[in-house]
Amino acid sequence: NAGVTQTPKFRVLKTGQSMTLLCAQDMNHEYMYWYRQDPGMGLRLIHYSVGEGTTAKGEVPDGYNVSRLKKQNFLLGLESAAPSQTSVYFCASSYPRTGGTYEQYFGPGTRLTVT
Amino acid sequence: AQSVSQHNHHVILSEAASLELGCNYSYGGTVNLFWYVQYPGQHLQLLLKYFSGDPLVKGIKGFEAEFIKSKFSFNLRKPSVQWSDTAEYFCAVNAAGTGFQKLVFGTGTRLLVSP
Repeated sequence: NAGVTQTPKFRVLKTGQSMTLLCAQDMNHEYMYWYRQDPGMGLRLIHYSVGEGTTAKGEVPDGYNVSRLKKQNFLLGLESAAPSQTSVYFCASSYPRTGGTYEQYFGPGTRLTVT
Repeated sequence: AQSVSQHNHHVILSEAASLELGCNYSYGGTVNLFWYVQYPGQHLQLLLKYFSGDPLVKGIKGFEAEFIKSKFSFNLRKPSVQWSDTAEYFCAVNAAGTGFQKLVFGTGTRLLVSP
């Protein structure tokens, strides 16, 4: 049981290049999330998904796109990278709440630098 | 919308000192509360959570937190810190209930424990 995994772990991009970050979870979670973590700003939600084939915008969605074609995978795309997207990206997943509660499980992160 | 304030951005303690990290949230309804820890170079892990019941919650590694509803606070405590507690600590909150509710994070408190 690997939990939440992310690839790649590190990446350096030039401004204008594109890339896709892959998140995979093996816990059969319905909900998945992409966050970015910047110094002094905590974690901010980029996009999230409440099930296969559905996605929604979070707090800071501009410049990013996502897809959830399979329940276990959640992809984050940068079509034209900008230096402002230099950050550490975390994926997370959770069960949906059914009158109860849930917690989010996080992946190890992807450190992205855009030059 | 919910918001979370962590007033201590950096805390430096000696081993065996007691720890209290502040967390205040802004939301008028019922909430779920979390503390996550991020050890250097690692992903976020859940320390403890409060959903309902006893406002004093015990988590892993000797940490505890107390929910004080009247003060909108959920402070994290540990009687005696160890060098291995050096990490960044995040408080998070979401609205209680069913359906998707965004998890809002504080900006984090970086704890350094000197041996």
